[in-house]
Amino acid sequence: DSGVTQTPKHLITATGQRVTLRCSPRSGDLSVYWYQQSLDQGLQFLIQYYNGEERAKGNILERFSAQQFPDLHSELNLSSLELGDSALYFCASSSGTSRETQYFGPGTRLLVL
Amino acid sequence: GENVEQHPSTLSVQEGDSAVIKCTYSDSASNYFPWYKQELGKRPQLIIDIRSNVGEKKDQRIAVTLNKTAKHFSLHITETQPEDSAVYFCALGTSGTYKYIFGTGTRLKVLA
Repeated sequence: DSGVTQTPKHLITATGQRVTLRCSPRSGDLSVYWYQQSLDQGLQFLIQYYNGEERAKGNILERFSAQQFPDLHSELNLSSLELGDSALYFCASSSGTSRETQYFGPGTRLLVL
Repeated sequence: GENVEQHPSTLSVQEGDSAVIKCTYSDSASNYFPWYKQELGKRPQLIIDIRSNVGEKKDQRIAVTLNKTAKHFSLHITETQPEDSAVYFCALGTSGTYKYIFGTGTRLKVLA
């Protein structure tokens, strides 16, 4: 167990809908990262937050947004869902610097029908 | 922008043989080089990392080597076992930035 929690574990929804994925980082970690992993693909970096502020952005679609709250948990919002958004979404946390281990949550598996 | 190239994308070895995965990067300021293992359906987990002040680090059957001049680092797994079968990702980080980049992954199959 990495100490990072993600909810829900599974999510099935329809095209055009909106969902929210939630992540709680390890105790003491200030940075949260979001990744998308499609079937048999690598880890696509979406966005990073540090202590409530956005720090880095990857290939995140405009339909997607995220935030980190004062208690450091983070939410990833996916809207106007398309079939191609079906994937495993991981959250990871670290102490904050880019020279530290990232601890991954168990992921949320999203299926868009 | 900075990226990291990882090769090979797939690797099959016989049980007991060694496996080597290599990653090449371009930013000479990169100074943290971790390796993650992702078993099927599970989360990526750190297995070993190296910082730029050392050239090699070992942990039992796993080792990582770093060549800063040539800008590449490699994961070495000796005496491979079926449970080593997984996808392995290299990554790199750079002090003073928030940049943390993952390679594209290598699917390792250890054949019994």
